[in-house]
Amino acid sequence: GQQLNQSPQSMFIQEGEDVSMNCTSSSIFNTWLWYKQDPGEGPVLLIALYKAGELTSNGRLTAQFGITRKDSFLNISASIPSDVGIYFCAAQGRSSNTGKLIFGQGTTLQVKP
Amino acid sequence: NAGVMQNPRHLVRRRGQEARLRCSPMKGHSHVYWYRQLPEEGLKFMVYLQKENIIDESGMPKERFSAEFPKEGPSILRIQQVVRGDSAAYFCASSPGQGIAKNIQYFGAGTRLSVL
Repeated sequence: GQQLNQSPQSMFIQEGEDVSMNCTSSSIFNTWLWYKQDPGEGPVLLIALYKAGELTSNGRLTAQFGITRKDSFLNISASIPSDVGIYFCAAQGRSSNTGKLIFGQGTTLQVKP
Repeated sequence: NAGVMQNPRHLVRRRGQEARLRCSPMKGHSHVYWYRQLPEEGLKFMVYLQKENIIDESGMPKERFSAEFPKEGPSILRIQQVVRGDSAAYFCASSPGQGIAKNIQYFGAGTRLSVL
């Protein structure tokens, strides 16, 4: 079945550093999404990508939809303590009949002040 | 607040009881999705519904689990005769169903089910 491989699994960085995480798959997707989840809460949408090659920013966050449609990355610049959490990539397939999302395993980010 | 509302936030059940999880989508959204999350894992798709219709239930266990989204009222995920393995966080998401962002899903805070 369709599967997303997200890496790294966890990161422990110093405040102010830049962060990069990515998701890859052997399947082609039409939409890539990045979510952040805080403990005890639901995922919050950060960035949505609709076209291959698309590069989109949201404040200090930048994400790209890979040209092959099989991967995506998320960068966070100048990290701050409130960036702590679990980041998930998610993707939607080519079928228009289902909107189901496939999720990566998550990247746990810890920021040291 | 026009976000996705789920209740209860926490639910404790004994083995063999029934669990009912409710989800009200964002205002203007007509599509609802249910996902399950086990500790330390990503979310796994269960079912996709529009008003009064199940569109995709490929992620639903064949037995004990059912979902509905009636014409009036919230979507309900129902788990009959719960077992310990059903303990998880259950998330609901909704999407507009039209426009360029028609399938972009916004999530509720989840219901954490604990089966004793």
